Amino acid sequence: AQSVTQPDIHITVSEGASLELRCNYSYGATPYLFWYVQSPGQGLQLLLKYFSGDTLVQGIKGFEAEFKRSQSSFNLRKPSVHWSDAAEYFCAVVPNQAGTALIFGKGTTLSVSS
Amino acid sequence: NAGVTQTPKFQVLKTGQSMTLQCAQDMNHNSMYWYRQDPGMGLRLIYYSASEGTTDKGEVPNGYNVSRLNKREFSLRLESAAPSQTSVYFCASSLTTNTEAFFGQGTRLTVV
Repeated sequence: AQSVTQPDIHITVSEGASLELRCNYSYGATPYLFWYVQSPGQGLQLLLKYFSGDTLVQGIKGFEAEFKRSQSSFNLRKPSVHWSDAAEYFCAVVPNQAGTALIFGKGTTLSVSS
Repeated sequence: NAGVTQTPKFQVLKTGQSMTLQCAQDMNHNSMYWYRQDPGMGLRLIYYSASEGTTDKGEVPNGYNVSRLNKREFSLRLESAAPSQTSVYFCASSLTTNTEAFFGQGTRLTVV
C-alpha cells in the first residue's frame, strides 16, 4: 500500500543544534515530495518541495531536504535550530500522475530547548 | 491576497445536527481538498476535487459529502454529525493535483 512514514513522533533539540527529521515513502515510482510546517493553531505552510533534478533542495527559513531514491527517503535538515522553529512538521507526497491527491505522514513535533 | 478562506473558524454541533463548511480560493486553482486533522493521525484526506465538475473520495469519506460549487468554492457537508467527527478541518487548493497545496486556517469542529 502507498504510504508516508515519519518515524519520529516527537523530537527535542537544543537551540543552535542541528536538526534532521526523517521521512520515508512507499510508492511504485518516485512521487513529488513536500515538507510542510504547522505552528500551533495555524494552517500549514510549505517549507520546500522536490519534483525532479537536484536531489538537495533548499526551502524557506533555512531548511533543506535531500531526496535519496535508493532509500525512498526525503529527510528535512537545518544546520542550527532557533526557538521559533518549534512546530509540527509534515512530510507529504503525491504520485507523479494526474488525478491523485497529496497524502501526509503523521507528523513530527519539534520542541526546542534553551 | 486572501488565498484559501474557510468559514466558520469554530463550530459546536450537537449529535445529529447538520452543517456545511465553506471554502473558497482566489488563486484560480483547479484542484481543491478537504482534510481532517486529529492528534497523532496527521492530516487525512476526506474528499478532493481534481478539477471543476469532479469529486473523489479520499481516505476517510464516510459521513461527509462535498460539492464543488464552481472553480473557487468547495464545500463539505456533515449530514448527521457524530462525536467521532470532532476534529480540525482544513481546506486546501492547488493548481493541479501534483503541485503544492495551499491551506486555509482551519475549522475547529466539536460535536457533543
